[in-house]
Amino acid sequence: ETGVTQSPTHLIKTRGQQVTLRCSSQSGHNTVSWYQQALGQGPQFIFQYYREEENGRGNFPPRFSGLQFPNYSSELNVNALELDDSALYLCASSPMPASSGGTVTDTQYFGPGTRLTVL
Amino acid sequence: RKEVEQDPGPFNVPEGATVAFNCTYSNSASQSFFWYRQDCRKEPKLLMSVYSSGNEDGRFTAQLNRASQYISLLIRDSKLSDSATYLCVTTGNQFYFGTGTSLTVIP
Repeated sequence: ETGVTQSPTHLIKTRGQQVTLRCSSQSGHNTVSWYQQALGQGPQFIFQYYREEENGRGNFPPRFSGLQFPNYSSELNVNALELDDSALYLCASSPMPASSGGTVTDTQYFGPGTRLTVL
Repeated sequence: RKEVEQDPGPFNVPEGATVAFNCTYSNSASQSFFWYRQDCRKEPKLLMSVYSSGNEDGRFTAQLNRASQYISLLIRDSKLSDSATYLCVTTGNQFYFGTGTSLTVIP
C-alpha cells in the first residue's frame, strides 16, 4: 500500500452538477498531483499542488480546480459536470515537486482513485 | 502528436514465455522514465524506473535508448500474476503516461 487515500471510492452525478474529490498524501510527501483516466486510456495530468499552491497544470479547463491544505491533503473540484468527465480520478503524492529546475525528480505514488460517473 | 506511444496489445502469452513491450516518446528533453503496472480497475503501481544503462529487477528488465527515444520492458518466465496493463511514463514538467499495453498470461 502506498499510504495515499482517496474519497469517495465511487460517485454518481448528473450533468451540470459540481463534485469535490479528496486525497490524503503519503506521510512525508508534500506534493500532490491529480490525474483523470478515461476507460482504455492512460492517466492524464490535471494539475499539481506543492505547499498549497498550484505547481503546474495540464490541458484541462478552468472548471477543474483544486486546493491543497497545510497538512498536504488536497481536493479536486469539478464544476458544471459533463458526460465526458466520467472517469477514474487518481491522486498521486511525491516527496518533491514535479518541477525542480524544470524536470520531474521523483516517483509518484497513487491512491486507489475515485470512479466518477456523470449521467 | 502524443508524448508517449505504446502498442495497446493485447498480448496473450503462455505461462513461462518471454514478452517484450516497447514505448516511444517524443520529447528528447525527457529526463526520467518509468514503467507502471495497473491491474483492472485499480491504481497504477510503480514497477521500475528506467535508467540509461538499463536495469533489471528479477524477471523484469528495462532499457532506454535515448538516441531512438524508446523504452522497453522485458518480462521473462511470465507468471499468471503478471497479467495486467503496463504503462510507460516519461517526464518533463509533468508525468506523461502512455495508453498502456495489456498483457494476459495464459495457463
